[in-house]
Amino acid sequence: SQQGEEDPQALSIQEGENATMNCSYKTSINNLQWYRQNSGRGLVHLILIRSNEREKHSGRLRVTLDTSKKSSSLLITASRAADTASYFCALNNDMRFGAGTRLTVKP
Amino acid sequence: DAGVTQSPTHLIKTRGQQVTLRCSPKSGHDTVSWYQQALGQGPQFIFQYYEEEERQRGNFPDRFSGHQFPNYSSELNVNALLLGDSALYLCASSVVETQYFGPGTRLLVL
Repeated sequence: SQQGEEDPQALSIQEGENATMNCSYKTSINNLQWYRQNSGRGLVHLILIRSNEREKHSGRLRVTLDTSKKSSSLLITASRAADTASYFCALNNDMRFGAGTRLTVKP
Repeated sequence: DAGVTQSPTHLIKTRGQQVTLRCSPKSGHDTVSWYQQALGQGPQFIFQYYEEEERQRGNFPDRFSGHQFPNYSSELNVNALLLGDSALYLCASSVVETQYFGPGTRLLVL
């Protein structure tokens, strides 16, 4: 089993700006999932992207997957204060999580 | 349809004591996983239960044990509590790929 490594560790932006965070991994995967966690709460599933997909959208979220670089990115467009949270990636339904990216959106 | 529920929400114990945390999965979900999340860190996988058997286990000592009941609900037991066991304990249920998390139980060991 392996876990993804999110970066940056922390990101601070103004409301309305876009936020991009990344997940890197070491060996091939079947799928990759992104989760959000508001402070001290449970994780919420955001999006799943499979290894044969390059990009997926869900509302203001855009996820890309580059299997050649073994990395994925999560883009949040037109960020809101409510997007303030930690974001985690998980690989292959194998629920190992990295330390996450802590996003702060300032109003 | 109720989501994943956990009880209790908060708990305070002293070193050496034992604790049992409970989880009810989302309706129709047969797999339950448990995680420990220390402050400022990502969730660490403890173990996963399916059909009342432990299917996978993370790097946790035998002090951490679990059980899954026929109705798919689950318990996490921790014996001989240490100060370092203070954390948020998360339960997640799933059927195939996506996991649905409960709100967690915050355990403080004094």
